[in-house]
Amino acid sequence: AQSVSQHNHHVILSEAASLELGCNYSYGGTVNLFWYVQYPGQHLQLLLKYFSGDPLVKGIKGFEAEFIKSKFSFNLRKPSVQWSDTAEYFCAVHAGNNRKLIWGLGTSLAVNP
Amino acid sequence: DAGVIQSPRHEVTEMGQEVTLRCKPISGHNSLFWYRQTMMRGLELLIYFNNNVPIDDSGMPEDRFSAKMPNASFSTLKIQPSEPRDSAVYFCASSPPTSGTDTQYFGPGTRLTVL
Repeated sequence: AQSVSQHNHHVILSEAASLELGCNYSYGGTVNLFWYVQYPGQHLQLLLKYFSGDPLVKGIKGFEAEFIKSKFSFNLRKPSVQWSDTAEYFCAVHAGNNRKLIWGLGTSLAVNP
Repeated sequence: DAGVIQSPRHEVTEMGQEVTLRCKPISGHNSLFWYRQTMMRGLELLIYFNNNVPIDDSGMPEDRFSAKMPNASFSTLKIQPSEPRDSAVYFCASSPPTSGTDTQYFGPGTRLTVL
């Protein structure tokens, strides 16, 4: 069965630290990949997505993610986090011919000022 | 542009009562998704519709849950009777029909508390 694994459940960083959140998926075919962010008390918002082309995708607020097909990974990165990046981050994958997204369990990021 | 609209934003009810959550997808979107989010289980897909037709309801917990989409601009999720373990945030999301574009746009959610 298709699945998405986010390795870090809770991450605590200080401002200006670099961030990398891991995401791996299990599916051998063509995939579309997403990172969503959920700020405290808010709904999920799209951070960035990969459909095709350049495997290095840039999103909003300085985030980027790299699709490495050989590793089935789509890790999220940001060179210097801010307190306002404190949120829950979800990786999701679309695979197959339905419209469902397969979601990871999320990573809670806390950035200390 | 109006995003996905959900109502109510907060609902507090007593065990055994019927609860109806409402969702208006983004105009022109043809797929609609109902999710439940809890601390214990994270984000769970309950059911999704494509062109108003339920496609996959395998995530619906049990017969107490039902969902309808009578037209392209409205969907309901009903819980009858409600139980304390149904307490969660329920999100509705919609997705446009463009082939290969599976981006889902989420509503603000309904925070349900069943006492």
